[in-house]
Amino acid sequence: GAGVSQSPSNKVTEKGKDVELRCDPISGHTALYWYRQRLGQGLEFLIYFQGNSAPDKSGLPSDRFSAERTGESVSTLTIQRTQQEDSAVYLCASTTMFRGQLKNIQYFGAGTRLSVL
Amino acid sequence: AQSVAQPEDQVNVAEGNPLTVKCTYSVSGNPYLFWYVQYPNRGLQFLLKYITGDNLVKGSYGFEAEFNKSQTSFHLKKPSALVSDSALYFCAVRDMGTEDYKLSFGAGTTVTVRA
Repeated sequence: GAGVSQSPSNKVTEKGKDVELRCDPISGHTALYWYRQRLGQGLEFLIYFQGNSAPDKSGLPSDRFSAERTGESVSTLTIQRTQQEDSAVYLCASTTMFRGQLKNIQYFGAGTRLSVL
Repeated sequence: AQSVAQPEDQVNVAEGNPLTVKCTYSVSGNPYLFWYVQYPNRGLQFLLKYITGDNLVKGSYGFEAEFNKSQTSFHLKKPSALVSDSALYFCAVRDMGTEDYKLSFGAGTTVTVRA
């Protein structure tokens, strides 16, 4: 596609429910990133995919968070048993390779605003 | 370790006046530096980057940034601000010596340009 697409754009859920957030990266982009942006704060790195493998999951805040990616396309971030503290904007970004190295510019989607009541 | 500091939560300027958004960084080696802008309900948009070469980098929408190694700074500037420049601005850094995917972002600076 023309840009990184995220869905839904807004999600309201009740505490304790599971949610799935979807990211569709730019076609051909091998690397995909998830970030969390809490109100009034910067971006917090969650996880990085190269293809469908995740060499760095160090940013996932708890075992309630998981993510997967199908090949070099869609990724899903799942939050189980949501808590109010999970309320944030979840941003996805993608980038591609050039001469065996990742290009530095990450291209971002518009994000999913998650509200846990 | 790598990190970024944006010392000002908010910057307010009048339209037509110069705009500066401050950023300082910390890396072990040499930095790659970036500025992104975020408009309401939208994702981050890339503005400009410093990789190597000239310390003054020009980017989109008339913005520029100056890399200062001795002061470990990468301040964003625009000579004449527009009301449409009102947005949230993020500085980001990557240490050239680290894994090539890791960007660290500052907390962001909200810019308000009044007419």
